[in-house]
Parts: sequence; C-alpha cells; structure tokens
Amino acid sequence: AQSVSQHNHHVILSEAASLELGCNYSYGGTVNLFWYVQYPGQHLQLLLKYFSGDPLVKGIKGFEAEFIKSKFSFNLRKPSVQWSDTAEYFCAVNAVRGGGADGLTFGKGTHLIIQP
Amino acid sequence: NAGVTQTPKFRILKIGQSMTLQCAQDMNHNYMYWYRQDPGMGLKLIYYSVGAGITDKGEVPNGYNVSRSTTEDFPLRLELAAPSQTSVYFCASSYSKQGGAEQYFGPGTRLTVT
Repeated sequence: AQSVSQHNHHVILSEAASLELGCNYSYGGTVNLFWYVQYPGQHLQLLLKYFSGDPLVKGIKGFEAEFIKSKFSFNLRKPSVQWSDTAEYFCAVNAVRGGGADGLTFGKGTHLIIQP
Repeated sequence: NAGVTQTPKFRILKIGQSMTLQCAQDMNHNYMYWYRQDPGMGLKLIYYSVGAGITDKGEVPNGYNVSRSTTEDFPLRLELAAPSQTSVYFCASSYSKQGGAEQYFGPGTRLTVT
C-alpha cells in the first residue's frame, strides 16, 4: 500500500516570503499526485495535479509543484505568498494500477499561516 | 451544478445510536468515495464505489456501511455509533479512476459521538 509523508505540520510565513512544502510518497509503481487546499471553513479544492508529462506542474493561484521520481517527491512551491494563502495543504497520491477505483491516500496535512 | 452535497453539516450522536450521512453529486460521476478526517491525521478512505450497485472497502471500513442504488447518491451508514467515530466526514466523486482524474469534495459533515 502507498503512503504519503508531509514534513512540515505547521508553517508560519510573512507575506511575500517564498514557500516550499515537502511531500514524499512510498509506492514502487506509477502514481498520480495531487495537492489539495482547504481554506478555513471550506471543503477541499484541487490546487494542482501530476499524472504524466512535464514533471513541473502549475496550478491555481500561482502554485507549482515538481515531481522528482528518483526522490519519490512532489514538493509544492510558491514564490511569494499572500495572506489569503492561509489554509491547510494536503498532498495525496493515487496508485495507477488495474482493478478498483482506488481512493486517494493523503498526507497528514500542513497548516500554513501567513502573517500580514 | 451543485457539485457534491452532504447533509447534515453537523450532528451529535449518543453512543449506540445510528445515523446515515447523505451524499449526492449531480456531475454524473461513476466514482464516489467516503473519507474521514481526524485532527492532524489527514483523510482516510472508508468506502468507495465504482458505480451503482458496486461498493468496496477502503482503509478504515469498520463500523460503517454504504450502498449505491443510484449514480447520484452514496449514503454512509453508522449502525452503532462509538466515540472513535467522532470525525469530519467528506464525500467525494470523480469521473474516472485513471489519468489523474480530480476528486471533487463535498463540504463535510462534522460528527460528534458522546
């Protein structure tokens, strides 16, 4: 079974600082990778995803992530954060294999607080 | 489209009571999922369904049951509520299981069992 590890559980940054949130997964086969965001009081929304092609993927709101297969990593980045980026961020993986639908396996999440 | 809807938003149950969490989607998605989210633990898959009449267990199915009589609805049943089932429950749906298909999430149901 696959697993996902997010290294930072709580991150506090000032506005305009650069952001990088770490995500590593364990699974030997082909995977789809996702970053979801949960703003306070709201449901999960997709930030970006990788399933094939260019390992550098761009998502909404200026976020991007790079899939490094050799490191089993999918780190999330943003060059300049805003106060509105305060939220919980989840990395998730879906193993690509035949058979069932396979729900997502999530990391424990990173609580990001941006100070004005 | 309303997307994925869940009812109720909040519920308090006594130990041993039963209840059904409702989930519906209007996107004609075949794949539907139930997750629970515990503080600091991320989301864990409870059950999933690949279409009407077909369901399967996820990572943490004990204490829950599901049914899928229509494409739109995927209710989650708790038969004998226990304090360990205190959690936030999210329903999700997707149009495909492959190709990086996005899962769309509902707003969640916050359940407390006392």
